[in-house]
Amino acid sequence: DQQVKQNSPSLSVQEGRISILNCDYTNSMFDYFLWYKKYPAEGPTFLISISSIKDKNEDGRFTVFLNKSAKHLSLHIVPSQPGDSAVYFCAAVNTGNQFYFGTGTSLTVIP
Amino acid sequence: NAGVMQNPRHLVRRRGQEARLRCSPMKGHSHVYWYRQLPEEGLKFMVYLQKENIIDESGMPKERFSAEFPKEGPSILRIQQVVRGDSAAYFCASSPTPGGHQPQHFGDGTRLSIL
Repeated sequence: DQQVKQNSPSLSVQEGRISILNCDYTNSMFDYFLWYKKYPAEGPTFLISISSIKDKNEDGRFTVFLNKSAKHLSLHIVPSQPGDSAVYFCAAVNTGNQFYFGTGTSLTVIP
Repeated sequence: NAGVMQNPRHLVRRRGQEARLRCSPMKGHSHVYWYRQLPEEGLKFMVYLQKENIIDESGMPKERFSAEFPKEGPSILRIQQVVRGDSAAYFCASSPTPGGHQPQHFGDGTRLSIL
């Protein structure tokens, strides 16, 4: 039962362009959403989060958008840099403090 | 390095042996979470512990798997009588308080290989 889905396993983007990573969820009771970035042989590192009461949160080059009616969130990275190449996981948190992770999207930023 | 420390980084066991994975949370963090990542899959929640207590073990297999977080020392994930299907990366995360407003900080994982 995959409550958080990332339907694109991979994405390639030219350096300087926008990267858009998508995530869908099924449970309307999630109250926080987070994005993590993971390099090979390392653990995930926290990137940015958004509360369910907001629809946008921005931190530098990273912006997360939340569309509650569509149960969809996205991460925008602009401009994309080669160092952004990694696997990105979205996560949703319910009121019981359970974190549900998607299967990840591998982003490649081409110089 | 005051991050989440996991050891060993790599662990090889034969079928039927026991595997012990250790996790030291970040300083000041009393909440520990274990996740398993199978090849080509995302992170799957296993168990959430606070010092000396298991808060949520809904993601733990009912048999062979156990976890503890004693008053002193690291959290331990123990897998008894390992089978090939236990081969995975096991990640530990910690946070100072529970809740989605408080991101979990992850260790670099233990890669368990079963021969």
